Amino acid sequence: SQTIHQWPATLVQPVGSPLSLECTVEGTSNPNLYWYRQAAGRGLQLLFYSVGIGQISSEVPQNLSASRPQDRQFILSSKKLLLSDSGFYLCAWSRGGANYGYTFGSGTRLTVV
Amino acid sequence: GIQVEQSPPDLILQEGANSTLRCNFSDSVNNLQWFHQNPWGQLINLFYIPSGTKQNGRLSATTVATERYSLLYISSSQTTDSGVYFCAVEVYSGGYQKVTFGIGTKLQVIP
Repeated sequence: SQTIHQWPATLVQPVGSPLSLECTVEGTSNPNLYWYRQAAGRGLQLLFYSVGIGQISSEVPQNLSASRPQDRQFILSSKKLLLSDSGFYLCAWSRGGANYGYTFGSGTRLTVV
Repeated sequence: GIQVEQSPPDLILQEGANSTLRCNFSDSVNNLQWFHQNPWGQLINLFYIPSGTKQNGRLSATTVATERYSLLYISSSQTTDSGVYFCAVEVYSGGYQKVTFGIGTKLQVIP
């Protein structure tokens, strides 16, 4: 069966420090991978998606970047965190092609202080 | 882009009560999912339901794609049902599924 792992679960970082959040998927190959952010309140905002190694698309301009160095690894990064980067970050995967749903990781709660 | 509206935004239920959550969407979609986000933030897939009706225990969902809405029914609610329920619609385009979430219905079940 497929599983998705995301870490760390919580993170407190000072403004201006770098960020690296990791997400890995097991039990499948060539998944579509996604990073979402959920700010205060409820909305989920798509940040990045990837349909293959080295292929990253950004939905919104921001202080963050993403990379996919391996087929089942998706990394969210920042060189210098801002206060506004605080939030709950969720990684998700889906099979390529239509008619497959999303499965989410357990999320990382980031607080920038 | 596609708009997804969920109602009600907030709901308080007495334990044991039934409820219906609604999701309206503005355009044709390839698929629709219902998620439950528990108090710890974990998003759990409840139903993957592009059309028709599905049931899983006390929960059931119905999607009428031609009329662009979906309903989530919770029967005999329990305190563990508390959390936020999201509807997410999926449009397949350019090799990936673009998923748009509603803002959710926050449910609180009180004993």
